[in-house]
Amino acid sequence: EVQLVESGGDLVQPGGSLRLSCAASDFTFKDHYMTWVRQAPGKGLESVAKIRPDGSFKSYGDFVKGRFTVSRDNSQNLVFLQMNSLSVEDTAVYYCAREYWWRFDLWGRGTLVTVSS
Amino acid sequence: QSALTQTPSASGSPGQSVTISCTGTSNDIGNSNYVSWYQQQPGRVPKLLIYEVNKRPSGVPDRFSGSKSGTTASLTVSGLQADDEADYYCSSNTGGTSVVVFGGGTKLTVL
Repeated sequence: EVQLVESGGDLVQPGGSLRLSCAASDFTFKDHYMTWVRQAPGKGLESVAKIRPDGSFKSYGDFVKGRFTVSRDNSQNLVFLQMNSLSVEDTAVYYCAREYWWRFDLWGRGTLVTVSS
Repeated sequence: QSALTQTPSASGSPGQSVTISCTGTSNDIGNSNYVSWYQQQPGRVPKLLIYEVNKRPSGVPDRFSGSKSGTTASLTVSGLQADDEADYYCSSNTGGTSVVVFGGGTKLTVL
C-alpha cells in the first residue's frame, strides 16, 4: 500500500530536541520531494521543511530560524526532521507529505509533538 | 499570520453551492499556476482536492472546482452534502521561498 508513516513524536521540555522519522512505502521514494507540514492544535497548516529527491537542496519555513534540519535516506525510504531548541509554539501534529509540483498528494497520519514543562 | 488570507467560515444548505476564496499577492497566487486546495474533515488527514488552480485528482467529485482571478483563488463546492462539512485550505508556491504557503483555512458548515 502506498503510504507514509511518521514516528518520533513525544512530550519534550522547552529547549529540548526531538527527531521525527517518516517511512515511505510502495512508491519510488527517491524520485520525490518530501515535506514536513505541521498543524498546531485547532490551527491551520504550515510548511516546516522540504527536501529535494537527492537531498541536495533543503528549504525551511521562516519560523524555523536554523533550529530544524531535514534529511533523508533514500536507501531506507526514510525522511527525518531533527528539531532543536523547541518552544511551546512548536507544539503540533507533524505530517510527512509527498510533494509534487507544489502540491501534497500523499500524507501520513501525523505524529504529535508536545512541548511543555 | 498565514501567508494567504481565507475567510474563517462559510456555510450553505444541502444542494446549494458555496464559494471559498483565498487571497494572496503578486508574489504567490498572482503569479502562480500552482494553487491547490485541501479538505480536512474533523479528525482526519488533509486531502488534496484541487491542484494547479483547477485540476482534480482522480476520485475527487466534479462538484469541487477551482479558479483564479488576479491574486485571488476560489474553490466552489456545488450540490453541498453533509459530508462536505470540513476545513478547507488553499496553498500556493511563492517567489520568495521554495516552501509552499497555506491559507489560514475556512470552516465550511452544511446547515
